[in-house]
Amino acid sequence: QVQLVESGGGVVQPGRSLRLSCTASGFTFSNYGMHWVRQAPDKGLEWVAVISYDGYRKYYADSVKGRFTISRDNSQNTLYLQIDSLRTEDTAVYYCVKDQVAKSSWFIFDHWGQGTLVTVSS
Amino acid sequence: DIQMIQSPSSLSASVGDRVTITCQASQGISNYVNWYQQRAGKAPKLLIYGASNLETGVPSRFSGSGSGTHFTFTISSLQPEDIATYYCQQYGALPPITFGQGTRLEIK
Repeated sequence: QVQLVESGGGVVQPGRSLRLSCTASGFTFSNYGMHWVRQAPDKGLEWVAVISYDGYRKYYADSVKGRFTISRDNSQNTLYLQIDSLRTEDTAVYYCVKDQVAKSSWFIFDHWGQGTLVTVSS
Repeated sequence: DIQMIQSPSSLSASVGDRVTITCQASQGISNYVNWYQQRAGKAPKLLIYGASNLETGVPSRFSGSGSGTHFTFTISSLQPEDIATYYCQQYGALPPITFGQGTRLEIK
């Protein structure tokens, strides 16, 4: 079965950096676009970024553009999110999310990880 | 960016009731809408994709409809395990992907 396991969250000071990881199993990782979606405490869902199955195309939400970098290592079945210049408003649970359709990015989120909490605080 | 106005923001209903949630898109997005369920403390779960397609394994009491700018999500007979927050999401014009604000569903 599909499993997505995030790691790398924690408490970080404003202005610092953090790298989140997501290890995937149970499907052919290199065939699927992958996303990060975040949820601030007691708030709704916010899409953050997507990377195509081959890693060549990346798109970001305006709120994170220039500070966040999505990447992937298909040989290690791992998705990453590099977060720089952290702000208090980046405090959220970050979910690693798989796209439903292979070799495409249809933005249908059919499997989600359990999430990793990032808290930005001095 | 396309805005998704979801209503109501909260809803209380009895077991067995028919429950309806709506999402209004700020511009036409064909049928590019998904619906998710998020139980407390859990990750969201895909229920409906492409406005009306039931995800594999999802009970048939869940359904969706709509196209253009108006979309509806329905639970035909509310069950206790349906207590959750429900979100619509558009993918008709991207990026960015946008979600509705969520509907918190409670049992009376």
